[in-house]
Amino acid sequence: DGGITQSPKYLFRKEGQNVTLSCEQNLNHDAMYWYRQDPGQGLRLIYYSQIVNDFQKGDIAEGYSVSREKKESFPLTVTSAQKNPTAFYLCASSMRTLGGQETQYFGPGTRLLVL
Amino acid sequence: KQEVTQIPAALSVPEGENLVLNCSFTDSAIYNLQWFRQDPGKGLTSLLLIQSSQREQTSGRLNASLDKSSGRSTLYIAASQPGDSATYLCAGGGNTPLVFGKGTRLSVIA
Repeated sequence: DGGITQSPKYLFRKEGQNVTLSCEQNLNHDAMYWYRQDPGQGLRLIYYSQIVNDFQKGDIAEGYSVSREKKESFPLTVTSAQKNPTAFYLCASSMRTLGGQETQYFGPGTRLLVL
Repeated sequence: KQEVTQIPAALSVPEGENLVLNCSFTDSAIYNLQWFRQDPGKGLTSLLLIQSSQREQTSGRLNASLDKSSGRSTLYIAASQPGDSATYLCAGGGNTPLVFGKGTRLSVIA
């Protein structure tokens, strides 16, 4: 059963705490992405990775960090420097990026709330 | 920088009506235009992808068109059903990752 999984579904963060959102894909895709979605807004790109051990900042990378040690995994850490982290976080993957003609596939999302 | 705009932001129609959702983009040098569906609290589901060399794509009751010269794409939904109620987002891709519009929230009333 191929696809993208995200965990947890809901995550609660205390002030000053770093939290990590998990994203795993078994589609053998090279490219992976993290987006943030706020109510009534479109998706904004946080980070993306085209290949293992390489990633680039998106439009709103401040306060976030990522790693890409394995092709299947692209975890996102929301650091204490992100002052407004409450949002719906979506992970996606595609076979290639930057000019590729492939569809992006999305995970079910993680909703992050601040206590 | 690519900007994607969707109008209207929300739309309510009676069941059975044919409808059109609009998407406009500022950079005509896109490589593809994708339409997605999002149900409340869920991830995005890909509906249609139109490559830059194509003018339209069809899947069941859905038809998406692309006019690069005018910077427009439309999603046509035939014979709408209550199950079509969702938010529809378009996204343009080029030599950069996809840029998303804010979506059109569709309600189909039985």
